[in-house]
Amino acid sequence: AQSVTQLGSHVSVSEGALVLLRCNYSSSVPPYLFWYVQYPNQGLQLLLKYTSAATLVKGINGFEAEFKKSETSFHLTKPSAHMSDAAEYFCAVSESDNNNDMRFGAGTRLTVKP
Amino acid sequence: DTGVSQDPRHKITKRGQNVTFRCDPISEHNRLYWYRQTLGQGPEFLTYFQNEAQLEKSRLLSDRFSAERPKGSFSTLEIQRTEQGDSAMYLCASSTRPYEQYFGPGTRLTVT
Repeated sequence: AQSVTQLGSHVSVSEGALVLLRCNYSSSVPPYLFWYVQYPNQGLQLLLKYTSAATLVKGINGFEAEFKKSETSFHLTKPSAHMSDAAEYFCAVSESDNNNDMRFGAGTRLTVKP
Repeated sequence: DTGVSQDPRHKITKRGQNVTFRCDPISEHNRLYWYRQTLGQGPEFLTYFQNEAQLEKSRLLSDRFSAERPKGSFSTLEIQRTEQGDSAMYLCASSTRPYEQYFGPGTRLTVT
């Protein structure tokens, strides 16, 4: 079955610094990959998705992620962190169009220091 | 587009009681998903509906759990004889096309 590993349960960056959140996946077929963000006491919001088109995916709020098949990775980056980026980030993998088999990572909590 | 709504937002119940949660998907979204999220973990898939048909159930969904989606609109998730291990955030999501699930704010269940 497919799975996701997020390296680092907590990441802290200074405002204006590069954000890098790591995600490695395991899948027996070409995967669909997602990054979601969750703010306290709220549901998840889709940041971006990879669905076998361009390997560099741009999302909302200035985030982007690159699908690297050789490294089975889908790391999330943002060139310059903003205080409002502080949240929990989840990487997820699916092997079906219906995404009824979505598997989420344990999450990475991003802290942004002033 | 008013988003996915869930009711109640919080529920505290005593062990052994039954609870029911409601999810109202975005209008016209034919796909509906339920997830459970425990503290410090990502969401875990519970079940999936396409219109009114329940097409997928996780083995996490024990006999005490049941979900319905009559008429293919709102959905309910019922937990019978609640246990302390059921304490979690229950999330609902809906979509109308692949790869884009819209999540509701969740129902936080606390079993005492």
